[in-house]
Amino acid sequence: AQSVTQLGSHVSVSEGALVLLRCNYSSSVPPYLFWYVQYPNQGLQLLLKYTTGATLVKGINGFEAEFKKSETSFHLTKPSAHMSDAAEYFCAVSRSYNFNKFYFGSGTKLNVKP
Amino acid sequence: GAGVSQTPSNKVTEKGKYVELRCDPISGHTALYWYRQSLGQGPEFLIYFQGTGAADDSGLPNDRFFAVRPEGSVSTLKIQRTERGDSAMYLCASSLTPGLAGAEQFFGPGTRLTVL
Repeated sequence: AQSVTQLGSHVSVSEGALVLLRCNYSSSVPPYLFWYVQYPNQGLQLLLKYTTGATLVKGINGFEAEFKKSETSFHLTKPSAHMSDAAEYFCAVSRSYNFNKFYFGSGTKLNVKP
Repeated sequence: GAGVSQTPSNKVTEKGKYVELRCDPISGHTALYWYRQSLGQGPEFLIYFQGTGAADDSGLPNDRFFAVRPEGSVSTLKIQRTERGDSAMYLCASSLTPGLAGAEQFFGPGTRLTVL
């Protein structure tokens, strides 16, 4: 079965520091990979996605993620955290043969300290 | 433009009761999805509609759960004989191009269901 692991349910960084949120997946076939962000009382919003092509993908709000097949990882990074980045982040995968069905990780809550 | 909307935003019911949760997708989106998100967990797939038909209902946990989309737009998730374990946030999403790999799913704010 497809699974997604997000290491660290809570991550705290200082404003201006590097943000690194980890995501590993299990898949025997190339997956499609997504990062979503959820602000309080709002729906999930797509940050970025990887389907094919360039393994380093850039998203909104300065976030980017790199697909590393050898490590089965799709970690999310941002060079400099802003207070407005405080939210919960979800990694999701779908399979090439059933790409409408998303499997989500359990989420990482990002806290940004002033 | 308007995003995905879900009503009610909160629903409190008693064990054994019947509930309906409504989802209004983005206009023109042919695909609609339901997810369930328990506390501290990520969304869990329930069912996917393409038009009026359920293309994949493999995530429905049991036969107490049922969803319809009679006109290919609004969808209703129906839960019979609710149990305390059904308490969760129910999320709806829609997408414009479900046949395209990696098509973005747009999520609504969810309905928080509490079964007492």
